[in-house]
This record gives sequence, structure tokens and C-alpha cells, in this order.
Amino acid sequence: DAKTTQPNSMESNEEEPVHLPCNHSTISGTDYIHWYRQLPSQGPEYVIHGLTSNVNNRMASLAIAEDRKSSTLILHRATLRDAAVYYCIRTPNFGNEKLTFGTGTRLTIIP
Amino acid sequence: DTEVTQTPKHLVMGMTNKKSLKCEQHMGHRAMYWYKQKAKKPPELMFVYSYEKLSINESVPSRFSPECPNSSLLNLHLHALQPEDSALYLCASSQDLYSQETQYFGPGTRLLVL
Repeated sequence: DAKTTQPNSMESNEEEPVHLPCNHSTISGTDYIHWYRQLPSQGPEYVIHGLTSNVNNRMASLAIAEDRKSSTLILHRATLRDAAVYYCIRTPNFGNEKLTFGTGTRLTIIP
Repeated sequence: DTEVTQTPKHLVMGMTNKKSLKCEQHMGHRAMYWYKQKAKKPPELMFVYSYEKLSINESVPSRFSPECPNSSLLNLHLHALQPEDSALYLCASSQDLYSQETQYFGPGTRLLVL
């Protein structure tokens, strides 16, 4: 039970922003939200994670709703290299030793 | 260096063979993981090692036998596998358990059981 819901697929034009949604309506107050992505023929790679506040790093931004029932991963300017499956994962506060991947969103970038 | 290496990249084995998958990291991480990923499916956790001791076994059949000989190495011994065990086997590591540390994944070993 991945406990998150994501659209199966999305498309975006190259060099435009991409907003990838994730629903986690049953999240507990101490669960973190992690995002990983898996490029073709590679292992998953970490993108970003957060608890309550919005987070930014060099790869992306994470916007977490005030009620924490949903979040959005934002790629500010998509490139062809961003084509991947993006996984939104809940982890309990005491640790993320058990990453439970859901089905993820397959992002296609249109040149 | 944030690299997790896995060997071999590809492996074909018969149902009576014994083979091993190898995973290595030199980041000083004390937690290491094995995942299995079937085609078009998300990765599924198999085993977790913490400080070289098995911490989590997700009810994996005994034909898969993990081993952590030291803090940098993780092996997965395979014996009497079935064709349905064909999959991508991913290794990952993180600083430790019980924190929000990033897991770093290797590229995987693609296994075909004939």
C-alpha cells in the first residue's frame, strides 16, 4: 500500500515548467514526502523531500499543501533529460528504511 | 563520490544454477538495500541491512540469500530461481536507518532466468 496517488502519465513541452501532483490524503502529521525519479535504464535517484514547508533545491521545488493532503513537484524548466518516472513516497518520521514506491507518473518531454 | 556499483550488469541463468549479484559503495553508508523491479512496475523492497546485520526481510523466498560481508559490500546469492524471478535487481545505500537520509541506487542487474 503506497498510500499516495499520482497520475499515470503527463506530458510537457521542453523548457516549460512542469507541475507533478501527488495526493496523500491519509498522511499522518509526522510523515515526510519524498520524491524520487527513475530515468530509462537507470536506478531511481533522489529528487527532493519535505515535511511541511515548501522546499527548493537545484533540481526542483516541492510545494506541500497547507493541510498536507497533497503536494506538487515543480520542475522549473523541463529538459529532455527530465523524462522519467517520478515517484512520490510517504515515509514515517522515524525513518525511511522502507521506501514503498507507488506506480508513479511517467513524464514525457516534448521537444 | 555518490556512486553505488552493481555487477554484473546482465545475468542469464538456468533454474538449477547458483549465481551471485554484487553491490558496492564507498560512501561510508551503514544501511544497504536490495530491491526487485519487474518490467513496467515500481521497485519493491526485498532486504535491508543495517551495520552489516539483516534488519528487514520482506518475506522473500529462501532461494534469495543476502549477505553483507562488510560495510561496503552487499551480495545477493541466487539458487534454484524460477522464470518469474526475472527482473531488475537494484541495490541502494543510505547513511543509516531511522532518519530521512537519501537512498542512493545503483544501476541494477538485469536478471533473466531460463
